[in-house]
Amino acid sequence: EIVLTQSIPSLTVSAGERVTISCKSNQNLLWSGNQRYCLVWHQWKPGQTPTPLITWTSDRYSGVPDRFIGSGSVTDFTLTISSVQAEDVAVYFCQQHLHIPYTFGGGTKLEIK
Amino acid sequence: QVQLKESGPGLVAPSQSLSITCTVSGFSLTSYDISWIRQPPGKGLEWLGVIWTGGGTNYNSAFMSRLSISKDNSKSQVFLKMNSLQTDDTAIYYCVRDAWFAYWGQGTLVTVSA
Repeated sequence: EIVLTQSIPSLTVSAGERVTISCKSNQNLLWSGNQRYCLVWHQWKPGQTPTPLITWTSDRYSGVPDRFIGSGSVTDFTLTISSVQAEDVAVYFCQQHLHIPYTFGGGTKLEIK
Repeated sequence: QVQLKESGPGLVAPSQSLSITCTVSGFSLTSYDISWIRQPPGKGLEWLGVIWTGGGTNYNSAFMSRLSISKDNSKSQVFLKMNSLQTDDTAIYYCVRDAWFAYWGQGTLVTVSA
């Protein structure tokens, strides 16, 4: 089973700050079919269901603001929010879809000061 | 408009079985895979299994011996059945569309208690 580790469970930042959230895998997430990494970032706002922000490590999902940036390779992946807004308060978690069982990071809760 | 909605029993006695129905709208089950995911209280997300568009299934090995997923394309319904429930199966159960989990049901809370 692929284990995804998000080492920081929570962050509190001021609006306008740059935030980086890390996700580390215990296995290479490269899919040979397209040479891309099977890593998705999700945003889970209070009272809502999760929605994908970033697919294939770095592709913004439809409608996602460009302040959300995904990067990384092999086993180390990062979600960056270039300038945090008040509406970004949420839990952010990573998910892999390379191997079954699909697995999730533990999540990072983002709060605004 | 894509929608998924779970309906479950709410309360299940220990050692009994659980059945949850996921009714979808706005898309066809012949075009999208459906996964079941759960979240125990205070814990992280667990992927349980998937039913593919063609009807095949894959399960998390941790649940394989007691989990079954099926569907009825004509009724736009997906079914989860889990046997031998214990208290640590208490969780919110979600049905979710596709490998990127782009659409979720609102979830149904299942409490395992005598």
